Amino acid sequence: DTGVSQDPRHKITKRGQNVTFRCDPISEHNRLYWYRQTLGQGPEFLTYFQNEAQLEKSRLLSDRFSAERPKGSFSTLEIQRTEQGDSAMYLCASSLAAGQGYPYGYTFGSGTRLTVV
Amino acid sequence: AQKITQTQPGMFVQEKEAVTLDCTYDTSDPSYGLFWYKQPSSGEMIFLIYQGSYDQQNATEGRYSLNFQKARKSANLVISASQLGDSAMYFCAMREGPPSGGYQKVTFGTGTKLQVIP
Repeated sequence: DTGVSQDPRHKITKRGQNVTFRCDPISEHNRLYWYRQTLGQGPEFLTYFQNEAQLEKSRLLSDRFSAERPKGSFSTLEIQRTEQGDSAMYLCASSLAAGQGYPYGYTFGSGTRLTVV
Repeated sequence: AQKITQTQPGMFVQEKEAVTLDCTYDTSDPSYGLFWYKQPSSGEMIFLIYQGSYDQQNATEGRYSLNFQKARKSANLVISASQLGDSAMYFCAMREGPPSGGYQKVTFGTGTKLQVIP
C-alpha cells in the first residue's frame, strides 16, 4: 500500500450531469477526508469519516454533494447536477485517528480535477 | 478573520540558497498544530513538517525547518540549500485543538508559489 489513490485523475463533464469520484485511503488509516481546492486557493474542508461514519460536513457541501464510505475502506464523492462553480480539484486524504501516530497530519492523494463545461 | 495567512503569493530563490516562506496564524485555542505541505504541479499534497503548540524546540526535517514564534503567531518555513525540485506551491496549515482530540480538521492558507532558479 503506497499511499492514497484517487480515481479518476481528470474529469470533464457537461453542466447538469452527475459525477462520482473514488478515493482509496491507506489501508490502516481509519479516518478519511475530502477537500476541495479551487485555483489560487488552499484546500477547503468538505467532509470527513471515521471508519464508515460521516462525522462532519462543511457548509460547502450542498445537498447536491454526497459522500459515502460504506465499509470503512474506500470512499466515493458524488456531485449531482454539476454546475460550473463545481470546477475544482477534489482532494482526498487519510490519517490515523488522533493520538495514534506522528505527525498527526494527513496523507493526501493526487486529487481529481473536475472541469464542468 | 483568516486563520492562516500567507502573504507571499510568489517567491524566487537561487538554487543552493536558503529561502523563508512566511505564515501567520490566528487561534485562541492553546493547543494547536502547524503544518507545511508542498504541492507540485502534479497536484498531490506532500507533508513536510509539523510543529505542536507546546513543542519547546523548532521542528526540523532534513532541509526544512520551521521558525516558530508563538508570541507573534508565526510559523515560517525555511528551506536550506534550495534545489530545482523544490519549485512548487507551499501551504501552511493549522489544526486547532489537541492532537488527541476527536476531530482533526486542518485549515489551509492560500499558498506561496516558490520557483527555484538555476
